[in-house]
Amino acid sequence: QKEVEQDPGPLSVPEGAIVSLNCTYSNSAFQYFMWYRQYSRKGPELLMYTYSSGNKEDGRFTAQVDKSSKYISLFIRDSQPSDSATYLCAMSAPGANSKLTFGKGITLSVRP
Amino acid sequence: DTEVTQTPKHLVMGMTNKKSLKCEQHMGHRAMYWYKQKAKKPPELMFVYSYEKLSINESVPSRFSPECPNSSLLNLHLHALQPEDSALYLCASSHLQDQETQYFGPGTRLLVL
Repeated sequence: QKEVEQDPGPLSVPEGAIVSLNCTYSNSAFQYFMWYRQYSRKGPELLMYTYSSGNKEDGRFTAQVDKSSKYISLFIRDSQPSDSATYLCAMSAPGANSKLTFGKGITLSVRP
Repeated sequence: DTEVTQTPKHLVMGMTNKKSLKCEQHMGHRAMYWYKQKAKKPPELMFVYSYEKLSINESVPSRFSPECPNSSLLNLHLHALQPEDSALYLCASSHLQDQETQYFGPGTRLLVL
């Protein structure tokens, strides 16, 4: 079992749809949960960061972490064509020299 | 300034060439990273520098040689690469106490012929 599993894509939705992106993980030591957005031919951009369990909202984006189920989600409300990108979940455990463990990424396309 | 810059944007090199990738940040971050990313795959960690000292080497072949001349700069020296080394090379930086929130540069797209 991989440490981080991310829903395979690609995902195509109409403009205005609510998008749900998900990752599961197996390492109970993970405490930090991130979502990165990567546009084609660009570097990843940190979109959301959550520590431990709970929800975090930033504009149209909401990140949820359920540590009991080892499940994280990113919701995008009122999706826009500019949201078309690859979304990578990433996680890490506390401690010096902790490393990010990424999901495989899912490519989202929002159709006008 | 929350930007990590990388040069060059693109690089084509032969298997006998020596080249260097450069990365710069002015956010006061004391942790800097090199990642390799193949198409449709997540980034793979190569090296981590903490306080300008190499702290993690993920068993990367010696044809990749990192260097951290000062707290703002990170280089990756390339020599005798193989075609399978063609990839997007990403630099990232973070605060040492906040290594989960890394800021990535745009990457150098490398093609080895």
